Amino acid sequence: QQQVKQSPQSLIVQKGGISIINCAYENTAFDYFPWYQQFPGKGPALLIAIRPDVSEKKEGRFTISFNKSAKQFSLHIMDSQPGDSATYFCAATGGTSYGKLTFGQGTILTVHP
Amino acid sequence: NAGVMQNPRHLVRRRGQEARLRCSPVKGHSHVYWYRQLPEEGLKFMVYLQKENIIDESGMPKERFSAEFPKEGPSILRIQQVVRGDSAAYFCASSLSSRASDGYTFGSGTRLTVV
Repeated sequence: QQQVKQSPQSLIVQKGGISIINCAYENTAFDYFPWYQQFPGKGPALLIAIRPDVSEKKEGRFTISFNKSAKQFSLHIMDSQPGDSATYFCAATGGTSYGKLTFGQGTILTVHP
Repeated sequence: NAGVMQNPRHLVRRRGQEARLRCSPVKGHSHVYWYRQLPEEGLKFMVYLQKENIIDESGMPKERFSAEFPKEGPSILRIQQVVRGDSAAYFCASSLSSRASDGYTFGSGTRLTVV
C-alpha cells in the first residue's frame, strides 16, 4: 500500500513539445505529492508539489494535475527544452509517514533540439 | 547559505570493509533522512533521525547498517562489512520539521562502489 507507480520509464520529446509523466498511488493517507528533478551526479531537487485539496497547480512551464478519486497525478512540462533533459521522480507522503517520501521509479526525459 | 553537504562524493571499498557516509544538514535543520538509490531505480527510504534520536528506521537493513545524528557534528550512515550489493548512491535530506513540505532539501549524494 506504500507504492507509487510511475510511467513511462523513459520519454523522448522534441524541443517545444509537451512532456507528460504519470504516477499512481495506493495509500489514501498520502497528502503531499512533490515532483523532483535529478541531473546526473546530483541529488533530487524539488520542482513542484501539490496537495489533494486542489486539482491543478502551475508554476511556469510545469503543471501538476491531480485526480484524487483515481489516486493519480501527473506532471506536464510545456514547451520542453533540451535543458529539461533529466530524470524526474514523483513522490508521496502523509499520514504517519512523517517526512518519509515514497518515490516512483523515475522517468528519464530526453528533449531533442 | 550552504545546502546539505555530503561527503565523500565517491567512496570505493573492498568487500568486508566499513563505509562511513557523512551528512551535514542545512543550517537550522534538525531532521535528517537517508535514502538509497540503486542504478535506474527510485530512491528508497532508509532512516529518519532527529538530533540524537532515531525516529524511524523501517527502511534500514537489519544487519550491518546503522545511523546516528549526534548533538554536535554531521549525521553518519555506517555500513559494516560491505558487500557488492551495497553499491549504490546514498542521499541525505534535511528539513526544518517532520513535514516533507518544510524546506526538505537533498544533498548531492555519496556514490559507494564495493569492489
